[in-house]
Amino acid sequence: DGGITQSPKYLFRKEGQNVTLSCEQNLNHDAMYWYRQDPGQGLRLIYYSQIVNDFQKGDIAEGYSVSREKKESFPLTVTSAQKNPTAFYLCASSIGDLRRDEQFFGPGTRLTVL
Amino acid sequence: QKEVEQDPGPLSVPEGAIVSLNCTYSNSAFQYFMWYRQYSRKGPELLMYTYSSGNKEDGRFTAQVDKSSKYISLFIRDSQPSDSATYLCAIGADTGRRALTFGSGTRLQVQP
Repeated sequence: DGGITQSPKYLFRKEGQNVTLSCEQNLNHDAMYWYRQDPGQGLRLIYYSQIVNDFQKGDIAEGYSVSREKKESFPLTVTSAQKNPTAFYLCASSIGDLRRDEQFFGPGTRLTVL
Repeated sequence: QKEVEQDPGPLSVPEGAIVSLNCTYSNSAFQYFMWYRQYSRKGPELLMYTYSSGNKEDGRFTAQVDKSSKYISLFIRDSQPSDSATYLCAIGADTGRRALTFGSGTRLQVQP
C-alpha cells in the first residue's frame, strides 16, 4: 500500500531532552513537510523540503531541526530549545508541483512533555 | 493580519442541513485553493482542490472561489453525522514559498 507513515503515534519527553519523530513515504514524492497543530490554531509549517539534501525553514522553525538524506524519509528532531513542544505533529508529502498537487498527510505523532 | 482567516466555529447543524464553511485570504498571489477534512486525532485528507474562480462540485461537496473578493467557501449538502470533523482551508501560490498556508479550521458537528 502506498502512503505516508509516522512513528511513534504517541511520544512522551522529559524537559531538556531531544526527541526525533519519524516520517516515511513510499509515494515517490519529491516534497515533504512538517506541521505542528495546536488546538484552535490550524496547521503551522515547521520545515519543508522540495528535494533530497535541501530543506527550508517554515514559520515556526526555532527549536526544531530536520534532515533529508533520502527521498522517502524526513525526520524531525524537537530539541530542548523548543520551549513549548507539546502538540500534534503532522508530516505530509506531495509531488512538489502546486499546479497539480495534493499534500498527503500521515496519521500524526502526539508529543507530550512531562 | 493572518494570511488566511477562517470562521472559527464550532458549527452545529441538524442532519440534512446545508453547511457553509468560509475562508478569506489577503495575498492576491494565492492561486490554488484546497479544502481538507480532519477527523479527531487523525491526519487531514483532501476533499476539494481548485485553481480558478467559480464552483467545483464533487458529490455533496461544492467548493466556491471568488478571487476578486479573496473569498473561498465549501458547501456541504444533505449533511450527515459522518461529516462531523474539522474542515481546513489551504491556499498556495506559484511564487515564493512553495508550501500551503492553512486556515485555523472550523469544527463541524452534525446532529442526527
